[in-house]
Amino acid sequence: DAGVIQSPRHEVTEMGQEVTLRCKPISGHDYLFWYRQTMMRGLELLIYFNNNVPIDDSGMPEDRFSAKMPNASFSTLKIQPSEPRDSAVYFCASSAGLAGGHETQYFGPGTRLLVL
Amino acid sequence: EDQVTQSPEALRLQEGESSSLNCSYTVSGLRGLFWYRQDPGKGPEFLFTLYSAGEEKEKERLKATLTKKESFLHITAPKPEDSATYLCAVRGRGFQKLVFGTGTRLLVSP
Repeated sequence: DAGVIQSPRHEVTEMGQEVTLRCKPISGHDYLFWYRQTMMRGLELLIYFNNNVPIDDSGMPEDRFSAKMPNASFSTLKIQPSEPRDSAVYFCASSAGLAGGHETQYFGPGTRLLVL
Repeated sequence: EDQVTQSPEALRLQEGESSSLNCSYTVSGLRGLFWYRQDPGKGPEFLFTLYSAGEEKEKERLKATLTKKESFLHITAPKPEDSATYLCAVRGRGFQKLVFGTGTRLLVSP
């Protein structure tokens, strides 16, 4: 298995522009997570999906952030408009289930976002 | 609110010098404590899951242990390739929601 795939790996944009991050989870995994990692706050959960349905979006910082999962093999995290404080590494992770070892989350390589 | 505190923030060891990393946690109804390794520029890589006090797991030079309040990651005779940031996370009653610590940056010098 190729693991969790994210694109782009790096993104540099100007303040006010729309940014779209993409993720393909591991095949067969029913849960998908979006995290943000910064030096100051570490790794924080933004939102997660179960069977393509958003379950908990309490970590989404504000309305400028939105996430979708149109099918089991694709998810997007969109920031519109972007701001410099959004600069961070964004990770996608997936897991197969809730218990019995299936709850382990496997992370993608991340997207490094810089908003100028 | 679930919380995870890792110490030390950074640790420098000589090759072969064994040590331990600490992860203290508070969580309502622990449903798993997870250790991950993260190399620069990469995503966290899963190492271990521990579920109950007294449980231990080993992988090569790493051994993870768990009590009711903390977990230790013991590194025996480390090598330079063990240099990385080690992250600890807990899963409480909030199902799949993981709460991460800020990590311990380990540097092993030859």
